[in-house]
Amino acid sequence: KAGVTQTPRYLIKTRGQQVTLSCSPISGHRSVSWYQQTPGQGLQFLFEYFSETQRNKGNFPGRFSGRQFSNSRSEMNVSTLELGDSALYLCASSSGGRPGGGYTFGSGTRLTVV
Amino acid sequence: QKEVEQDPGPLSVPEGAIVSLNCTYSNSAFQYFMWYRQYSRKGPELLMYTYSSGNKEDGRFTAQVDKSSKYISLFIRDSQPSDSATYLCASQGSSNTGKLIFGQGTTLQVKP
Repeated sequence: KAGVTQTPRYLIKTRGQQVTLSCSPISGHRSVSWYQQTPGQGLQFLFEYFSETQRNKGNFPGRFSGRQFSNSRSEMNVSTLELGDSALYLCASSSGGRPGGGYTFGSGTRLTVV
Repeated sequence: QKEVEQDPGPLSVPEGAIVSLNCTYSNSAFQYFMWYRQYSRKGPELLMYTYSSGNKEDGRFTAQVDKSSKYISLFIRDSQPSDSATYLCASQGSSNTGKLIFGQGTTLQVKP
């Protein structure tokens, strides 16, 4: 069965621009979580969507937002990009039925802000 | 202080060695504990997960959780060069919120 698909794989943007990243979860999975990974801070939780509703949010500024569609695909948007937003952005999907297991990650989108 | 602490290494061992990777956590609400493996340019891959305290074994991998000391361990027996990767521990509270708290990750190199 197909895994978690993230597009695009690589992205270069200019400071001040905005960007939209996409995540298609495993078929049947209704929960999608987003993470930012940087060498300094490691993996940090951005937000989680379940059945089109944001269920939890991490400590990131309002420039980071997301949404989930009825087919469970999710997008995250970063507005007014800053150099510090350069990172690997990962999404993880799960059935959402139980905690602890079943979080499958995609390969990520590498965002570089110049 | 981070909620999950992990020594970033790097850790270098010869092929065949037993590898011990460790994390500590501070939040008593954590009930679920996971180990992920991440190869370069890839997303994290779930290796093991454990609920509450105890041991779990899967092939060459054994995960241990000691909630009394807030200590999480992963042991790799008969390590192989293909085990060279970054290993991330993660914890989660009992509510299913999709939020995993990760350690910094330990980079492991297994030399042939």
